[in-house]
Amino acid sequence: TQLLEQSPQFLSIQEGENLTVYCNSSSVFSSLQWYRQEPGEGPVLLVTVVTGGEVKKLKRLTFQFGDARKDSSLHITAAQPGDTGLYLCAGGWTNAGKSTFGDGTTLTVKP
Amino acid sequence: EAGVVQSPRYKIIEKKQPVAFWCNPISGHNTLYWYRQNLGQGPELLIRYENEEAVDDSQLPKDRFSAERLKGVDSTLKIQPAELGDSAVYLCASSLVVPGTGELFFGEGSRLTVL
Repeated sequence: TQLLEQSPQFLSIQEGENLTVYCNSSSVFSSLQWYRQEPGEGPVLLVTVVTGGEVKKLKRLTFQFGDARKDSSLHITAAQPGDTGLYLCAGGWTNAGKSTFGDGTTLTVKP
Repeated sequence: EAGVVQSPRYKIIEKKQPVAFWCNPISGHNTLYWYRQNLGQGPELLIRYENEEAVDDSQLPKDRFSAERLKGVDSTLKIQPAELGDSAVYLCASSLVVPGTGELFFGEGSRLTVL
């Protein structure tokens, strides 16, 4: 059983469209990270959120941490082909010194 | 600044053969992780080191997998003997912050194919 459920698993859209992907859990996290992974590469951190309800923006990407610190969303405005990749969320527990990854959303943005 | 370096990038072996992967973390990062990533899935932790001490190896299949981090810098992950189900990408990551709180820096990974 996956502790972090990401949805959708696959998403294919046209350039210029908006999209939202989700990361859900029944566990409460100390922090949550979003990573993007391109084929043949390791994941690269996009953002860390730590406060319930927190919203962070990174250019066209908006990240939100749920009030209860159990879930998160990533919204991309006006998607570009360069946004194509696997988007992974990872929830962390400071007191346990651990984090766990979801299985990711594979995003394809067509020109 | 150099990132996390892993080698080899690709390895193809026959089942029952041994294989080893090497990782050099970012300078100054005390925490080092080995993850396994199967196709279509997220990374799964195999082992975490704090300096030279393995502090979490609960998910490491100890009958065939071993790891070491001598001198608390670079690390080696070994599989002996390899099985078909070991085919995956083996990712090394390092971090400076308290584990579970923030950024992991990943290498490009070592893709293992077991025939």
